Amino acid sequence: GENVEQHPSTLSVQEGDSAVIKCTYSDSASNYFPWYKQELGKRPQLIIDIRSNVGEKKDQRIAVTLNKTAKHFSLHITETQPEDSAVYFCAADTGGFKTIFGAGTRLFVKA
Amino acid sequence: EAGVVQSPRYKIIEKKQPVAFWCNPISGHNTLYWYLQNLGQGPELLIRYENEEAVDDSQLPKDRFSAERLKGVDSTLKIQPAELGDSAVYLCASSLSGNTDTQYFGPGTRLTVL
Repeated sequence: GENVEQHPSTLSVQEGDSAVIKCTYSDSASNYFPWYKQELGKRPQLIIDIRSNVGEKKDQRIAVTLNKTAKHFSLHITETQPEDSAVYFCAADTGGFKTIFGAGTRLFVKA
Repeated sequence: EAGVVQSPRYKIIEKKQPVAFWCNPISGHNTLYWYLQNLGQGPELLIRYENEEAVDDSQLPKDRFSAERLKGVDSTLKIQPAELGDSAVYLCASSLSGNTDTQYFGPGTRLTVL
């Protein structure tokens, strides 16, 4: 069945460094790739998304890249801050109106 | 604009008891989702509604779980009887439509089955 793999499961960076989270998906029909941030005990919130007709998208310190041929996409956070510490989930919309989530990456930003 | 509302936020029950969760989506959102989120995992879809029609319930354990979305607005998810393994966070989300529109999540209901 459809699958989204996310790596790493845990990521620890120093404040000001960059963080990169990678995801791969299995269904080539996937055409929408959102990223969610979930702080402890709170709801997942969309931080950025990308559609299959775009290779890269940037919003201030956050960027997402998509490689459709390789079926992988990545989240890049630059100049990390302690408030970036959270769990980040990637997801792939399989085109059958079903969103499959990755298992999550717990990001720690050390001050 | 009010976000997705869920209640209760927390629920503790004994196994074999019934439990129900309620969700009010963002006004105007036609698509409503119920997800289950286990600790340390991503959300897993249980059921998706387009207006009042359940269009994807393939992951819903139908022997004990049921859901409804009367009038295509609010929705309830029920478990009867609950089992220990049902302990998780139950998230509701809504979107304008089901076709790759952004999903907005509610705060979730944390269920503990003792």
